[in-house]
Amino acid sequence: EAGVVQSPRYKIIEKKQPVAFWCNPISGHNTLYWYRQNLGQGPELLIRYENEEAVDDSQLPKDRFSAERLKGVDSTLKIQPAELGDSAVYLCASSLRTSGTDTQYFGPGTRLTVL
Amino acid sequence: AQSVTQLDSQVPVFEEAPVELRCNYSSSVSVYLFWYVQYPNQGLQLLLKYLSGSTLVKGINGFEAEFNKSQTSFHLRKPSVHISDTAEYFCAVTGSGYSTLTFGKGTMLLVSP
Repeated sequence: EAGVVQSPRYKIIEKKQPVAFWCNPISGHNTLYWYRQNLGQGPELLIRYENEEAVDDSQLPKDRFSAERLKGVDSTLKIQPAELGDSAVYLCASSLRTSGTDTQYFGPGTRLTVL
Repeated sequence: AQSVTQLDSQVPVFEEAPVELRCNYSSSVSVYLFWYVQYPNQGLQLLLKYLSGSTLVKGINGFEAEFNKSQTSFHLRKPSVHISDTAEYFCAVTGSGYSTLTFGKGTMLLVSP
């Protein structure tokens, strides 16, 4: 079974430039998460989708970050414009949420460096 | 609100020695607990999880963890570590009715020969 796929794996941009990250979840998983992991920290949730609907985006900085999950499958996270403080690893995770809690499976992440 | 405290930022240990990585949590609801491992330049891999039932949970790669409700802990143990266990380990918690995982800051396990 293929895992969560993310691209690109690494991205270096200058500040004020736009950047986009792509995620393809595990087949059949209805819930998709984007996390940001700063250096030396654990991941922190940015946004959670259930199918096409963003059900928790309270931690997403909406002035510069946007996300979409068209057709409830793959997803794109965008930053425009990027700032120096956005340098981090952006992780995508997916799960099959039925009842109770779900187990999240993570992709390899995209390491963003903003110069 | 939920929080996770991983008491050690780094744990150095010699190969074949036992190890314990400590995790304490706080939550106002029933909890589900997870340990993930992150190898350099990789994503997080699930080691084990506690959802209900037996408080001793066995995971992959010889790791196990024990849920202690009275001490609000979920420590990770391995009786004999290998060089290949060198990685960052994250404890995470979520609660009944929640989907969001709250992670600790991680513990770097450094195994030397």
